[in-house]
Formats: sequence, structure tokens, C-alpha cells
Amino acid sequence: TQLLEQSPQFLSIQEGENLTVYCNSSSVFSSLQWYRQEPGEGPVLLVTVVTGGEVKKLKRLTFQFGDARKDSSLHITAAQPGDTGLYLCAGARNDYKLSFGAGTTVTVRA
Amino acid sequence: DSGVTQTPKHLITATGQRVTLRCSPRSGDLSVYWYQQSLDQGLQFLIQYYNGEERAKGNILERFSAQQFPDLHSELNLSSLELGDSALYFCASSPSGFSSYNSPLHFGNGTRLTVT
Repeated sequence: TQLLEQSPQFLSIQEGENLTVYCNSSSVFSSLQWYRQEPGEGPVLLVTVVTGGEVKKLKRLTFQFGDARKDSSLHITAAQPGDTGLYLCAGARNDYKLSFGAGTTVTVRA
Repeated sequence: DSGVTQTPKHLITATGQRVTLRCSPRSGDLSVYWYQQSLDQGLQFLIQYYNGEERAKGNILERFSAQQFPDLHSELNLSSLELGDSALYFCASSPSGFSSYNSPLHFGNGTRLTVT
């Protein structure tokens, strides 16, 4: 059983469309990180959110941390083929151990 | 380029064998983490070393062991290999002993292990 549940597992959209990926847990996290992993490479950190209700924007990507610090979402506006990849959320609890979700595979078709 | 180097990139071996995976962390990072990634299990934390000492243990099998050397590089030893051990093995490093908001993980590109 994953501590962090990501949904959907797979997402395939057309270029220019919007998408949202969810990361949910029953545990409270001191911080939550989002990573993107491309085939043949390791995960790369996109953002870290720390405060409940926090919203961070990275160009066309918007990250939100839930008020109770148990969940997070990643929204991509006007997706491009370069956004294709495996998106992973990872939560750090008070013991500072990082737990990863199973990931959402996003495919953006040109 | 994350600055984390893993070798070899690919490894094919037979059941029952033993292999060693190597990781060099980013310059200045004291912590090394090992993760296993498979299609059905996702990214699973195995073990963490900080400045040469074991810091945290995750879902690491008794057949697996790791160490971090004085120059901070790390090795993951996998023995009595089984078909189910086939996976991507990632090493990550961070400056401190905690993987928190001020000490995120930097991953290498992994070693793909295939056990036949």
C-alpha cells in the first residue's frame, strides 16, 4: 500500500489541452515535492511546497498543497509534447523520510 | 545533468549471481539514497547513508547490502539474485541527512538490472 496515492495512473491528451494530476494521502506531510522523470533518466525535482494552501507556479505548471498538508495537485496549462513524462509526488513527514507515490504517466500528443 | 553518477548503466546477469552497483554523489553532498523502481511497485526506498554511516532503512531485502566509503561514493550489493529483482536502481544524493524542503534529492540516471 502506497502512502501517497496518485491519480490518474495514465493520462493521454492532445497538445494545447489542460491536465491535472492528484496526489492524496491520509498522512500529514511537512513538505511535498513533485518530480518529473523521462525515459532513461532519473527523477528531476520540479518544486517543493511547504505551507498548507500554498500555490507555486513554474511557467505553465501550477502546484498546490492542500490546506491540511495531506494532498497536492499539479495542473498543466496548454500542455506541450515536452511535458510528456512520469510525474511523481513525494512527501516528507516529521521523520524526514521521503515517500514517493507510484506516479502518473503523462503523454501529450502533437 | 544532476551531478550524480551511476555505473553501470545496464547489467544483465543470471539468477543466483551477485552484482555491485556504484554511485558517486554530487560534489558536496553527504547523503546517498538507494531506490528501486519497478513497474508494479513504483519508486521504493531501500537505504540511506550519511557521511559514511547508515541513516535510514526502507524495504531492503536481507540479500541486499550497501555501504558508503570515505570518499562518499556508495555501492549497493545485490546477491542471490532472483527474477523479481529485475528493476531500475536509482541512487540519489542530498547535502544533509534529511530529504526535506531545504535538502531535495538529486537522482542519477539509474542502473537497469535484468536477471535472467
